[in-house]
Amino acid sequence: SYVLTQPPSVSVAPGQTARITCGGTNIGSESVDWYQQKSGQAPVLVAYDDGDRPAGISARFSGSNSGNTATLTISRVEAGDEADYYCQVWDSSSDPYVVFGGGTKLTVL
Amino acid sequence: EVQLVESGGGLVQPGTSLRLSCAASGFTFDDYAMHWVRQAPEKGLEWVSGISWNSGRIDHADSVKGRFTISRDNAKKSLHLQMNSLRPEDTALYYCAKAYSSKSGRFDHWGQGTLVTVSS
Repeated sequence: SYVLTQPPSVSVAPGQTARITCGGTNIGSESVDWYQQKSGQAPVLVAYDDGDRPAGISARFSGSNSGNTATLTISRVEAGDEADYYCQVWDSSSDPYVVFGGGTKLTVL
Repeated sequence: EVQLVESGGGLVQPGTSLRLSCAASGFTFDDYAMHWVRQAPEKGLEWVSGISWNSGRIDHADSVKGRFTISRDNAKKSLHLQMNSLRPEDTALYYCAKAYSSKSGRFDHWGQGTLVTVSS
């Protein structure tokens, strides 16, 4: 089955830019979604179709996807961005239907 | 406002069964696919099962195939997960998730989860 690889942790100072990667074979041909999960809370969709954002999500969150790596970029990081972030790919013609990456813990220093 | 409220979790012994439910409100339930996603303690997200808007397509992860069955009742706006032959490794917080469209695997709303603990 398809495997998505994320770094376990990323650390960044407030005001800086955080980049969280998601690796997968030819992931650039897939549509990648990103979820934010703060401690003790349910996940929230923060980016989809590589880089679009749901209503209400800050423009500081953006996505890109090419080759074997998708990236979630968080600009001007704030303390409130500290959370676990998961990439996800889904394909109705695949089995399994949905695959998550292992998650990345973003720490704001 | 979209609301998803899970119920049915609890502490059960290995080999037994449990039925989870998810009550949906705030949207046209039968327009959207629905899914179950679980998260073991201190672990990442794992997709469990998905069902299309009209139950015409049903999918399960390999880890639960043959043991879990997803279903929905559009008249009652409810989603269910029948879990049989439970194992300790099924211990997790089970989330109900609304899909982005009628057949999507993208989740735009999540419930708060119901905890399932499988232990002797």
